[in-house]
Amino acid sequence: DAGVIQSPRHEVTEMGQEVTLRCKPISGHDYLFWYRQTMMRGLELLIYFNNNVPIDDSGMPEDRFSAKMPNASFSTLKIQPSEPRDSAVYFCASSLFLAGGVGELFFGEGSRLTVL
Amino acid sequence: QQQVKQSPQSLIVQKGGISIINCAYENTAFDYFPWYQQFPGKGPALLIAIRPDVSEKKEGRFTISFNKSAKQFSLHIMDSQPGDSATYFCAAGVFGGSARQLTFGSGTQLTVLP
Repeated sequence: DAGVIQSPRHEVTEMGQEVTLRCKPISGHDYLFWYRQTMMRGLELLIYFNNNVPIDDSGMPEDRFSAKMPNASFSTLKIQPSEPRDSAVYFCASSLFLAGGVGELFFGEGSRLTVL
Repeated sequence: QQQVKQSPQSLIVQKGGISIINCAYENTAFDYFPWYQQFPGKGPALLIAIRPDVSEKKEGRFTISFNKSAKQFSLHIMDSQPGDSATYFCAAGVFGGSARQLTFGSGTQLTVLP
């Protein structure tokens, strides 16, 4: 399997622009997570989906952030309008539910966002 | 109560030395404690994990020690190598729970000098 695939790997945009980050989870995984990583705050969980349904979006910082998962093989994280403080590395991760266990989180390589 | 505190923030060790990273948690419901390793430009990857029914788990040069009464756990890297230079995150979660969330520590940047 190719692993979790994220695009773009790098995005530089200007304040006020819309940003869309994309993620393809590992085939067969039923959980998808969006994390944000910054030096100040470390790894923060933004939202996660189970079987394409958003379960917990309490980590989404503001209404400017939205996430969708239209099918099992694709998810997007959108920021509109973007602000300089949104600059971070955004990771997508997927996992498979294991009865009586915790599925390993598989992370993508991240999308580094810079908002000027 | 969901916080996982990790220390130190950075660590420099000579090749062949022992690297030790510590984590503490508050939520007594946590019963699954993985460590993730992240190399520059890559996403974190699972390194090793432990459940509180054992006090220690070893995989090669990597050992997790767990102290349930103190609510602390640590990662020991024996015979540290330059290739171990990376950022290490501890995490905590609920094994078999309905929520699939992990609470991550703030990370430790390990540098192993040749």
